[in-house]
Amino acid sequence: LAKTTQPISMDSYEGQEVNITCSHNNIATNDYITWYQQFPSQGPRFIIQGYKTKVTNEVASLFIPADRKSSTLSLPRVSLSDTAVYYCLVGTSGSARQLTFGSGTQLTVLP
Amino acid sequence: KAGVTQTPRYLIKTRGQQVTLSCSPISGHRSVSWYQQTPGQGLQFLFEYFSETQRNKGNFPGRFSGRQFSNSRSEMNVSTLELGDSALYLCASSLGGIPHEKLFFGSGTQLSVL
Repeated sequence: LAKTTQPISMDSYEGQEVNITCSHNNIATNDYITWYQQFPSQGPRFIIQGYKTKVTNEVASLFIPADRKSSTLSLPRVSLSDTAVYYCLVGTSGSARQLTFGSGTQLTVLP
Repeated sequence: KAGVTQTPRYLIKTRGQQVTLSCSPISGHRSVSWYQQTPGQGLQFLFEYFSETQRNKGNFPGRFSGRQFSNSRSEMNVSTLELGDSALYLCASSLGGIPHEKLFFGSGTQLSVL
């Protein structure tokens, strides 16, 4: 299983771009990288997923270098409502689901 | 479309008791997975069911078990409860159980063991 490491917490101000990096040194060839967002008293919510290079959707971008040993979630122009815990998830392929969640990063957006 | 529904929302039990938690997946989803979330250990994978079969299991003792019914609804059981079992238990559903497909989580069941 690929172990993941993330910063425990980050602070930012409204309107800034936030980058959260996840380290996953033992990622397997067929593993995908997925990021989830979690608010208090709610289950995690899917943000973005990628395999290599760069992926962008309406809320975030995901940058994955060639060696895939890390990934960076980029949130453009954050607002107070982006205050949440962000999890990096590395999943293996195959018939069985082996999911490894990172420890999560508490992002606090300040006014 | 209704989301993932977990019942009950809160539960208080005493040590030694057993508990059953329920999860109703999104309609059409056939895979259900369970997770334990605690402040100290974060989110940990318990097990996954697909078409009524357990496909994978995390590193938890045998006191934790589950099952899935033909309508994809799932239950999780914890026997002989310990204080350390106090946690938020989350379930997630997905369409076909492909490992990297998007998971849809419920709001969880907050279990307190006294």
